[in-house]
Amino acid sequence: QKEVEQNSGPLSVPEGAIASLNCTYSDRGSQSFFWYRQYSGKSPELIMFIYSNGDKEDGRFTAQLNKASQYVSLLIRDSQPSDSATYLCAVPNTGGFKTIFGAGTRLFVKA
Amino acid sequence: DTAVSQTPKYLVTQMGNDKSIKCEQNLGHDTMYWYKQDSKKFLKIMFSYNNKELIINETVPNRFSPKSPDKAHLNLHINSLELGDSAVYFCASSPGVGGAYGYTFGSGTRLTVV
Repeated sequence: QKEVEQNSGPLSVPEGAIASLNCTYSDRGSQSFFWYRQYSGKSPELIMFIYSNGDKEDGRFTAQLNKASQYVSLLIRDSQPSDSATYLCAVPNTGGFKTIFGAGTRLFVKA
Repeated sequence: DTAVSQTPKYLVTQMGNDKSIKCEQNLGHDTMYWYKQDSKKFLKIMFSYNNKELIINETVPNRFSPKSPDKAHLNLHINSLELGDSAVYFCASSPGVGGAYGYTFGSGTRLTVV
């Protein structure tokens, strides 16, 4: 069974700090990696994706990928209270037709 | 102009009843999915349809039956509801198959079985 693992948290950071969210995956053939943000009582929303090793930046968000270590992370710079949510790491299954989601990391940004 | 819409948003019903959830997407995506999110927030795939063809049928009780009349619609019918069916059910769609370009989720249906 291909897996995606995340620390469930909660991760608590002060406003303005960098929040670092981590994810490991077991499927070595995976080619694309996604981060979804889910506010309480709402649906997941795609916020970042990365296909290649290295960093990808979009505003305050940076996704990092290390395929050799099967590790993907999301950095949120200048964290805001509005960033408080659960962040889901998601990895499409190679050879299959589905995306496997991690259990999510709850992030709290304290004002 | 909602991209993926689900109805109803809330569903409270008694054990043993039969209920349906409907989903529609106007994104022109080829593939639609049903995911179940339990109380621990874990999202698990149930079914997937690509252009009306069932391509994923996970280990789900056969009380759950999906139907896709066309590629823009995917419905979920649940027979003989049980307490353990209580969860949030999300419909999603994606271009292509498997979510390699990401998913767009509906707003979810919170099912409570009493």
